[in-house]
Amino acid sequence: GEDVEQSLFLSVREGDSSVINCTYTDSSSTYLYWYKQEPGAGLQLLTYIFSNMDMKQDQRLTVLLNKKDKHLSLRIADTQTGDSAIYFCAESIGGSYIPTFGRGTSLIVHP
Amino acid sequence: GAVVSQHPSWVICKSGTSVKIECRSLDFQATTMFWYRQFPKQSLMLMATSNEGSKATYEQGVEKDKFLINHASLTLSTLTVTSAHPEDSSFYICSATPGQGGGYTFGSGTRLTVV
Repeated sequence: GEDVEQSLFLSVREGDSSVINCTYTDSSSTYLYWYKQEPGAGLQLLTYIFSNMDMKQDQRLTVLLNKKDKHLSLRIADTQTGDSAIYFCAESIGGSYIPTFGRGTSLIVHP
Repeated sequence: GAVVSQHPSWVICKSGTSVKIECRSLDFQATTMFWYRQFPKQSLMLMATSNEGSKATYEQGVEKDKFLINHASLTLSTLTVTSAHPEDSSFYICSATPGQGGGYTFGSGTRLTVV
């Protein structure tokens, strides 16, 4: 299996909350990231969490980390059409800081 | 802060020609920069790590003679796709970090189309 796994698609209604899930395999991951990629653009770092944290909140974004299950989630409150994009989960292991990416989840927000 | 500029945004070239892509850190020095390639519907794949003043480190399966990397200054790394072929058509993205810990900043990417 892949090192970082995500479901490929998520469709939500505007105004609802979106939850994008990610699992990873390496328990020595130090940092876990969420990136957003809009069509034709580079990656934008949304947020990251250190492996010794359980939760991080930043405005509409909430990141939850279950280290025991190696599960990371990104919750977007009050999802807007402008949130439609591909969201990549990534991890970096030990001191290398080079992230390993999941395949990305395409979030589709419809009215 | 921590802006990475990548140029060009898109390029179309003929098969057999070479294409150079630039990656610049605008407001910080980067001794290390990273080059990724994105295949359709797949994740980013790390191609190589560009090291200022020394040779790049290539990932397994990436041809170093095909993808030439030069990191001549603390703010500029270039990726040259030599003798490009249609299968080299892809989205190339560079990234760098201003320091240890925290996230990476990515360039906006270069869409290469080889015809």
